[in-house]
Formats: sequence, C-alpha cells, structure tokens
Amino acid sequence: DTGVSQDPRHKITKRGQNVTFRCDPISEHNRLYWYRQTLGQGPEFLTYFQNEAQLEKSRLLSDRFSAERPKGSFSTLEIQRTEQGDSAMYLCASSLRASGRAEQFFGPGTRLTVL
Amino acid sequence: DQQVKQNSPSLSVQEGRISILNCDYTNSMFDYFLWYKKYPAEGPTFLISISSIKDKNEDGRFTVFLNKSAKHLSLHIVPSQPGDSAVYFCAASWEGGADGLTFGKGTHLIIQP
Repeated sequence: DTGVSQDPRHKITKRGQNVTFRCDPISEHNRLYWYRQTLGQGPEFLTYFQNEAQLEKSRLLSDRFSAERPKGSFSTLEIQRTEQGDSAMYLCASSLRASGRAEQFFGPGTRLTVL
Repeated sequence: DQQVKQNSPSLSVQEGRISILNCDYTNSMFDYFLWYKKYPAEGPTFLISISSIKDKNEDGRFTVFLNKSAKHLSLHIVPSQPGDSAVYFCAASWEGGADGLTFGKGTHLIIQP
C-alpha cells in the first residue's frame, strides 16, 4: 500500500498526559498537512510542511501542539498536557506541489480520546 | 465564521437517480475547489476538483459545477450507486493563502435501493 499511513489508529489517554502521532506521507510527496476533525465538522487545517520546513500554522494550533518533519519524510504531531477538548480525529494528508494546484491525499487518521 | 457551507446535513436519493450536493462559500479569494468522500473509520478520499477559471469539470459519473457570481458549487453524481453512500465534503483554497484546505461540515448521502 503506497498511500498515507498514520500510527496509531486509536489513542486513549488521561488528561494531562502527552501524546505523539506519526504520519508517513506518500513517498514522492513534498507537502504534508495536519488536520483535526471533531464530530459533525469537516477537517480543520492545523499546519503544513514543505519538505522539512513548517510553512504555516493555524491559530487552532495552541502552544501545547508541536509538529515536526525531520528530513522531509515522516512527520510527528505532539500534544502536551492533553485536555478533553483535544479529543478528535487527527488527519494527515500529503500532496506533490510541483506547479499549479494538487489534491491532498489523506491518511486514515488517529482517533484521540482524552479521559 | 464558516467560509464553506454545506447546508444539507443529509440527502437521500434512489439508486440510479441523480445526486446533487451543494456547497456555498463566502470568501471571494477562494479559487480552487475540491470534493472529498469519506466512509466511516477512513480518511477523506479525493473525488474531483475545479479551478475558478472553469465552470464545469467532469470525471466519469461525477461532475462539479462552479458559479462564481453566486459563490456556489455543486457535485452531480449520475447514476447514483449504493457505494456512493458516504459523507461528502466540499473544500476550498486560494493561491497566496494558507495552503490548507477549508472544509464544509459535510453532507451525508444515502443511496436507497
């Protein structure tokens, strides 16, 4: 399978704990995105990388959130001191931005439940 | 303030008929629009896109229409099939903006046999 993969698929944690999610994009894609989706809503943009550079962060990305993409390959999203409001599906997407626009391909998501 | 709106939370269509899903947007800077389909427990799957320089794009059973003056787009599925039952999201972006997509809340399409 050469699609976008995410790990873990599900995470249950207690409030105040730190969690880290991993995303492996489609191998030749240079752009990687993180989104968050809550029940009844569409995905909301959090941040994106072009290669290893983080180029944009949404105001939704509080100081407790940090994302990295070392060497421009896989990416991690860490949430520190989790809160119940962080419970959501965290989606990763990738695209190949050569020229013009390119559609984003999504992974299956990591569902986070904060107790 | 929601910049991409899908005002129908659900839509029921008989198999073989046309499904029409609607989407409105408020940000006149948007110039690229996409439709995604999502099954439960899976990530969204890209269906079709359209640039603002066009008013129609077709791919098999799927056609997207864009009316820039009305800030409205629609997705037509003809003929509708049982496998089309899913949540459909409209998304938009604009050159020079954040590269992330702005999504609507989705429409749950149910194809009845």
